[in-house]
Amino acid sequence: QVQLVQSGPEVKKPGSSVTVSCKVSGGTVSSYVISWVRQAPGQGLEWMGRIIPIYGTSTYGQKFQGRVTFTTDESTSTAYMEVSSLTSDDTAVYYCARVLWFGDSLYGMDVWGQGTTVTVS
Amino acid sequence: DIRMTQSPSSLSAAVGDRVSITCRASQSITNSLNWYQHKPGKAPNLLIYAASSLQSGVPSRFSGSGSGTDFTLTISSLQPGDFATYYCQQSYSTPFTFGQGTKLDIK
Repeated sequence: QVQLVQSGPEVKKPGSSVTVSCKVSGGTVSSYVISWVRQAPGQGLEWMGRIIPIYGTSTYGQKFQGRVTFTTDESTSTAYMEVSSLTSDDTAVYYCARVLWFGDSLYGMDVWGQGTTVTVS
Repeated sequence: DIRMTQSPSSLSAAVGDRVSITCRASQSITNSLNWYQHKPGKAPNLLIYAASSLQSGVPSRFSGSGSGTDFTLTISSLQPGDFATYYCQQSYSTPFTFGQGTKLDIK
């Protein structure tokens, strides 16, 4: 069965960048739509965007546009999310997740990584 | 962006109770509505997709209904492991926004 395994916790300085990885096991990253979601302390879930590797396209939430980049590496079946110009507001747990995809419709996220804590301080 | 509004924001109930959580979209999203259960320190868990389709492995006491702008998640008989925060999410148009969450705790 498909599993998503994320990289470990990060502590970053304001103004720096962070990259979180999400390795797909039991499948190939190019077969899936991968979304990224974050949860800041005491807050709800926030959808950041998605990448569709087979089409080579990414869609970003407006607040993340220009500061977040999604990529994939087929050779290692890994998805990556880079966030630049970090501020304390980016302190959060970041999740990758596979999106259910039937025909030409996207649905919920059925397989999730374990989460990666990013602290900006 | 489509705004998702859940009610109530918090709910206290007892084991065995039947509970319902509602989610309203700021515009029609047809049936593109998903429900998640989220426990502290864990990844969210997909319960319902496409408004009423039960995700594989999810107990049948969870059910979803609605279309257009108004949706409901119902838990028919609460079990101890059901106390968590529940989120709705629309997948009709990007950004795929979440509701603010409903925290369900033990009465």
